[in-house]
Amino acid sequence: DQQVKQNSPSLSVQEGRISILNCDYTNSMFDYFLWYKKYPAEGPTFLISISSIKDKNEDGRFTVFLNKSAKHLSLHIVPSQPGDSAVYFCAASDGATDSWGKLQFGAGTQVVVTP
Amino acid sequence: KAGVTQTPRYLIKTRGQQVTLSCSPISGHRSVSWYQQTPGQGLQFLFEYFSETQRNKGNFPGRFSGRQFSNSRSEMNVSTLELGDSALYLCASSPTGASYNEQFFGPGTRLTVL
Repeated sequence: DQQVKQNSPSLSVQEGRISILNCDYTNSMFDYFLWYKKYPAEGPTFLISISSIKDKNEDGRFTVFLNKSAKHLSLHIVPSQPGDSAVYFCAASDGATDSWGKLQFGAGTQVVVTP
Repeated sequence: KAGVTQTPRYLIKTRGQQVTLSCSPISGHRSVSWYQQTPGQGLQFLFEYFSETQRNKGNFPGRFSGRQFSNSRSEMNVSTLELGDSALYLCASSPTGASYNEQFFGPGTRLTVL
């Protein structure tokens, strides 16, 4: 049962434009969300996170928006750069102590930034 | 500070065999989590170890097992390999498992089952 869903397997965007990646979740107990970026032959690297007490978190070119009522979050990359071409994973945790070390991941979105 | 290392990086096995994968966490990290990545499925949580104890387990059959040593290094074992076990196996380490901002992944072990 996939509790975190990324319904777009791929996204192509022009350099300099905005990339918007979407993620939906079903478990209302999730209270912490993360985005990871993954290049081929490397492990995922942490990009940005957001707690359920916030609806927006910004870090440079990356902004994550959380809509708790819709159980939806999105990652905005502005402006997109060729080095942003990678697979992006959305992940979630319910924060319970017996869930420490355990994240639920989406299937990933392959982003290709074209010149 | 050295990152998370996983050995071997690539492995080819045949159905029915067993395999052991190794993960060395960042120095000082006591939590090690294991994930299986397959195309279209994202990362599926296998289990997490903290101070040599399995603290969490995902929905995988008993053929998948793991352990953690006193130096926090962890191994996972898959017995009676099936074709569907072909995947990238990733481990991640963090100081306690509670702070995901401090969790770092290794490069993974690519397992191919023929």
